[in-house]
Amino acid sequence: NAGVMQNPRHLVRRRGQEARLRCSPMKGHSHVYWYRQLPEEGLKFMVYLQKENIIDESGMPKERFSAEFPKEGPSILRIQQVVRGDSAAYFCASSRVQPLLSGEQYFGPGTRLTVT
Amino acid sequence: EDQVTQSPEALRLQEGESSSLNCSYTVSGLRGLFWYRQDPGKGPEFLFTLYSAGEEKEKERLKATLTKKESFLHITAPKPEDSATYLCGGQGGSEKLVFGKGTKLTVNP
Repeated sequence: NAGVMQNPRHLVRRRGQEARLRCSPMKGHSHVYWYRQLPEEGLKFMVYLQKENIIDESGMPKERFSAEFPKEGPSILRIQQVVRGDSAAYFCASSRVQPLLSGEQYFGPGTRLTVT
Repeated sequence: EDQVTQSPEALRLQEGESSSLNCSYTVSGLRGLFWYRQDPGKGPEFLFTLYSAGEEKEKERLKATLTKKESFLHITAPKPEDSATYLCGGQGGSEKLVFGKGTKLTVNP
């Protein structure tokens, strides 16, 4: 049973470029969550998606950041015109049902974005 | 604003030395309190969910408890392989989890 997959694992971008982070949830999971983790800080919720729908994007910066979870294919977190402050580890998690009901969400290994 | 605070930030134990990690929360309408373990360079791994005050859950050397204001992760007779960062998260009225900064546990042999 493959777990949550994220790619790339490491991504280096220069300021002003675009970063695309991909997340394939576990088989049978239709709920995807994106988190950002800065050094010495906790996980910060960014966005919650179900297939083809954004349910809660209250943790997403209003500009430059977008997320999608199409009917087919992985979930994508897109960061346009990256700045140094975007450097962080980005984690994706998936669950079969809402976390509270299932009691858990499964995290991927993360994508470490470095902006130079 | 919902908030989760974990203490201590870092904890060093000798193998076999039991201790507890604390998670204080102010989460409006708490519906679930979650504990995760995170190893360096990896994603968090689910450990427990607690739903109501007084609830306890155990897994090997770990036991999680919940009161109306805080949760504890008790580690009994830890081993070096228990070394990791332990994250606590709370879920209130929305679908998002609010996490603390974590406690980095080091268990020396």
